[in-house]
Amino acid sequence: QSALTQPASVSGSPGQSITISCAGTSSDVGNYNRVSWYQQHPGKAPKLMIYGVDNRPSGISSRFSGSKSGNTASLTISGLQAEDEADYYCCSYAGGFWVFGGGTKLTVL
Amino acid sequence: QVHLQESGPGLVKPSGTLSLTCAVSGGSISSTNWWSWVRQPPGRGLEWIGEISHTGNTNYNPSLKSRVTISMDKSKNQLSLNVTSVTAADTAVYYCAREIIGATAAYWGQGTLVTVSS
Repeated sequence: QSALTQPASVSGSPGQSITISCAGTSSDVGNYNRVSWYQQHPGKAPKLMIYGVDNRPSGISSRFSGSKSGNTASLTISGLQAEDEADYYCCSYAGGFWVFGGGTKLTVL
Repeated sequence: QVHLQESGPGLVKPSGTLSLTCAVSGGSISSTNWWSWVRQPPGRGLEWIGEISHTGNTNYNPSLKSRVTISMDKSKNQLSLNVTSVTAADTAVYYCAREIIGATAAYWGQGTLVTVSS
């Protein structure tokens, strides 16, 4: 199976909004509402930010939101803050297994 | 709050078997959840390895299926991961995690680095 496709990097200034895309296929993203997003700071374990396409776990800021259209999922971060600088990974159920995206490095300028 | 802790040898020889355990506290692995393993080679992205249900059903990454076994010991409340015939490409930080509906890994262990080298 192929990894989901994410941009290698995105950047934005504090206060701005950015969107990270996650392109899959009709066998994964397009067929299941089981898309999740993870934030990972250097040397740390990943942290769940969004699950089930657009649900935030308890304690996650409302600045983080998720959506899906067809075979592509998206993570939007509004009101960028310096602490948001990290790697972000999407993940989708693919029928019997899960597949991650290649990751996106977010730089806050 | 569930807590997960991976442990095992930090160094494995090529062609050998990588064996890790994941101790779970703050929750029973016999409850209604799936539990997963994820790995991350140094400087690279996340790769899903596989999962096991509270009843012992398993699913594996198709690309690793022939070499991976995930099991559970309910008496010790811990999970196990075995990867056979390892090569340098299996060098990674290995994480165990608890799934929720809509996400393969809601709660993560701190991870353990395994290096494959002679």
